[in-house]
Amino acid sequence: NAGVTQTPKFRVLKTGQSMTLLCAQDMNHEYMYWYRQDPGMGLRLIHYSVGEGTTAKGEVPDGYNVSRLKKQNFLLGLESAAPSQTSVYFCASSWTSGGSNEQFFGPGTRLTVL
Amino acid sequence: GENVEQHPSTLSVQEGDSAVIKCTYSDSASNYFPWYKQELGKRPQLIIDIRSNVGEKKDQRIAVTLNKTAKHFSLHITETQPEDSAVYFCAASMGRGYQKVTFGTGTKLQVIP
Repeated sequence: NAGVTQTPKFRVLKTGQSMTLLCAQDMNHEYMYWYRQDPGMGLRLIHYSVGEGTTAKGEVPDGYNVSRLKKQNFLLGLESAAPSQTSVYFCASSWTSGGSNEQFFGPGTRLTVL
Repeated sequence: GENVEQHPSTLSVQEGDSAVIKCTYSDSASNYFPWYKQELGKRPQLIIDIRSNVGEKKDQRIAVTLNKTAKHFSLHITETQPEDSAVYFCAASMGRGYQKVTFGTGTKLQVIP
């Protein structure tokens, strides 16, 4: 099992450009999450999904959109990147009925917006 | 929404000493409290968790305590080793499957050999 994977690992964008980050999990988890990690601020939830076709806003959703068309994939989109979106982005997944509550994280995507 | 405060932000201990990290939460509905360890350049990984119906949980050198009345919980690491050096995050969560998760800001633990 690959667990949780993220594509790409690194990306540099110019202000105003758009991009999509892809997260995939092979653990049949119901829930998926996108976090951003900035120095001194911990992990902040951007958006999350409790099942295929559903999404919900987290703590810092502005400037991001998400989609969960398939249970195993969760996409994070930046329509018009800003320097304030320079961060490390982590995807995570969790929960199957009867399973544990542990969140399994992907390896992260380091995004720089110039 | 939920607010989780974590202290200290940095902690240095001598190898073999104990380390304690403390967190407080604001929402009494939170009922699941995991702790994650993140080594430099790596992804966070769960090290221990506790549910609100339990006051203490131990796993070898790691223990977590929970005081629901005071809304605070703590991570205790005994006999620290250099490989314990990492950033530790507490979190509070609620909901079916505990999907609503709020993380603390992290504690950078340095174990000095």
